[in-house]
Amino acid sequence: AQSVTQLDSQVPVFEEAPVELRCNYSSSVSVYLFWYVQYPNQGLQLLLKYLSGSTLVKGINGFEAEFNKSQTSFHLRKPSVHISDTAEYFCAVSVYGDKLIFGTGTRLQVFP
Amino acid sequence: EAGVTQSPTHLIKTSGQQATLRCSPISGHTSVYWYQQALGLGLQFLLWYDEGEERNRGNFPPRFSGRQFPNYSSELNVNALELEDSALYLCASKLGTGSPSLYNEQFFGPGTRLTVL
Repeated sequence: AQSVTQLDSQVPVFEEAPVELRCNYSSSVSVYLFWYVQYPNQGLQLLLKYLSGSTLVKGINGFEAEFNKSQTSFHLRKPSVHISDTAEYFCAVSVYGDKLIFGTGTRLQVFP
Repeated sequence: EAGVTQSPTHLIKTSGQQATLRCSPISGHTSVYWYQQALGLGLQFLLWYDEGEERNRGNFPPRFSGRQFPNYSSELNVNALELEDSALYLCASKLGTGSPSLYNEQFFGPGTRLTVL
């Protein structure tokens, strides 16, 4: 079975500061890895995904993530956040394109 | 191109009643997934339909059921509603398993907020 752990339930940060949202996963087989963002009262939007190849993945809105197989991590980073990045962020894994298994989410709060 | 649509936006029911939630996938997508986002429980997989067949089911009781129609739209039914069923129900669609792509992204709808009183 697969599982996802998001280590921080909330991350407060000031505008223009860098941010890292942490994600660790557990799986006995190869998985695909994802980060989704959910703005208030909306569905989920895909930020980026790792399927194979380069371990550094770039996504939309200036976000990037690095896949680390030895540490089973897929942390999300942004060098400079904006107020508009305030949202809930979910890390997820999928096996062979099946269902998504989500972490519990990290609430990113950006302050002016 | 229209995205995934869900109806209704909000649904209020009382315990013991039945709820029906609907989802229209993106044109050309044949797979539909249902997820439950309940407070304190996170996002949990409910059901997966592809080409009209149920392909996988999450750890939910049988009173959660659904179907996929010939036009690939889908319906989620929840019978004998309980207070704990109050949640945001998200539908996602993607290209079907017959697609040659390495991975097909799931596109999410805005959700249906179900409140059970």
